[in-house]
Amino acid sequence: DAKTTQPTSMDCAEGRAANLPCNHSTISGNEYVYWYRQIHSQGPQYIIHGLKNNETNEMASLIITEDRKSSTLILPHATLRDTAVYYCIVLTGANSKLTFGKGITLSVRP
Amino acid sequence: NAGVTQTPKFQVLKTGQSMTLQCAQDMNHEYMSWYRQDPGMGLRLIHYSVGAGITDQGEVPNGYNVSRSTTEDFPLRLLSAAPSQTSVYFCASSPDLARNEKLFFGSGTQLSVL
Repeated sequence: DAKTTQPTSMDCAEGRAANLPCNHSTISGNEYVYWYRQIHSQGPQYIIHGLKNNETNEMASLIITEDRKSSTLILPHATLRDTAVYYCIVLTGANSKLTFGKGITLSVRP
Repeated sequence: NAGVTQTPKFQVLKTGQSMTLQCAQDMNHEYMSWYRQDPGMGLRLIHYSVGAGITDQGEVPNGYNVSRSTTEDFPLRLLSAAPSQTSVYFCASSPDLARNEKLFFGSGTQLSVL
């Protein structure tokens, strides 16, 4: 699976959009981009995933560049409850091994 | 549905003791897996299973055994606990990871080995 690179941490103000970047320059054509988050010590929670088109659901939007070498997770109106570690992962499901890096710590400030 | 249920939530062992961490899911998911998470680190895959009777190793399998006799259960066995196995353990399941279905995680088991 392709390796991902994320900043260690970032913060944003409550109510503003949080844009979390991820680089995956070695991604291959059949690898999906997944985002999960982990709030405090809870089990990780799925957010969104995509292959090449932008995706949106009730939690977030995923913007994937045309060359697929990077992506951005957008939380449109961040709340204090969005403070968490966010993991960007690229995977082909046929591998059956979803592996997590250290992620990016998002701190939402009042 | 209860989702993914892990028991116990907390456990303290002495070095050399054995124990089994339980994981059960009631969603009829084919795929199940175990992760460990050490302080300040991401999750590392221990073992996984793509269906009943099938298991395979992840990144850090040494010191752990698994079996998958039913679709619902995927226990993780520590045969002789070591302090290096002190960690938080998460179980996860998915309808079919090979079809890019998402993972559902349990709430974790915090294990301390003295």
